[in-house]
Amino acid sequence: DAGVTQSPTHLIKTRGQHVTLRCSPISGHKSVSWYQQVLGQGPQFIFQYYEKEERGRGNFPDRFSARQFPNYSSELNVNALLLGDSALYLCASSLAASTSNQPQHFGDGTRLSIL
Amino acid sequence: GESVGLHLPTLSVQEGDNSIINCAYSNSASDYFIWYKQESGKGPQFIIDIRSNMDKRQGQRVTVLLNKTVKHLSLQIAATQPGDSAVYFCAEKKAGNMLTFGGGTRLMVKP
Repeated sequence: DAGVTQSPTHLIKTRGQHVTLRCSPISGHKSVSWYQQVLGQGPQFIFQYYEKEERGRGNFPDRFSARQFPNYSSELNVNALLLGDSALYLCASSLAASTSNQPQHFGDGTRLSIL
Repeated sequence: GESVGLHLPTLSVQEGDNSIINCAYSNSASDYFIWYKQESGKGPQFIIDIRSNMDKRQGQRVTVLLNKTVKHLSLQIAATQPGDSAVYFCAEKKAGNMLTFGGGTRLMVKP
């Protein structure tokens, strides 16, 4: 069975541009979460979506937005890119949202570099 | 592959020895904890989880211990192998399904 898939694997942008990152969850998983991982640190929570609705948001500016589609795939959008947005962006999926303790399974991420 | 965690605490063990990786968590209200393994150039890989109503859980070659009194979590790896070399993160679940990750520990296995 396929795990969480993310595209693209690598991306180079310049300051001020915008970017869209894509994620397909594990088949049957309805919850998708996005994390940012800066080199040398653990992942930081950005968003959680469940059944196409935002269920949680981390401490990130409004330049970050996301959505979930009827097939449970998700997009993360970042506008007005800054140098500090350079990071590995991870998508994780789980069966449910917050009512049960289910492990989140991660994709291999999109490495975003801002020049 | 790309290196994860250039300045992380490092645990160096001999192949075949047991490894213990420790983690302090922050929120006494956290009710679910997960250990992840992250290899260079890859996303975090689920290893084992534990709920707050338990103090020990065992998997294949791994054991997680939870001490809620001092808010401490540990991961024990038996008979450590070269393939276990990676960065290990503990994560706690607070509100909703949001995971909060610790800073990570790099495990290096010497052959």
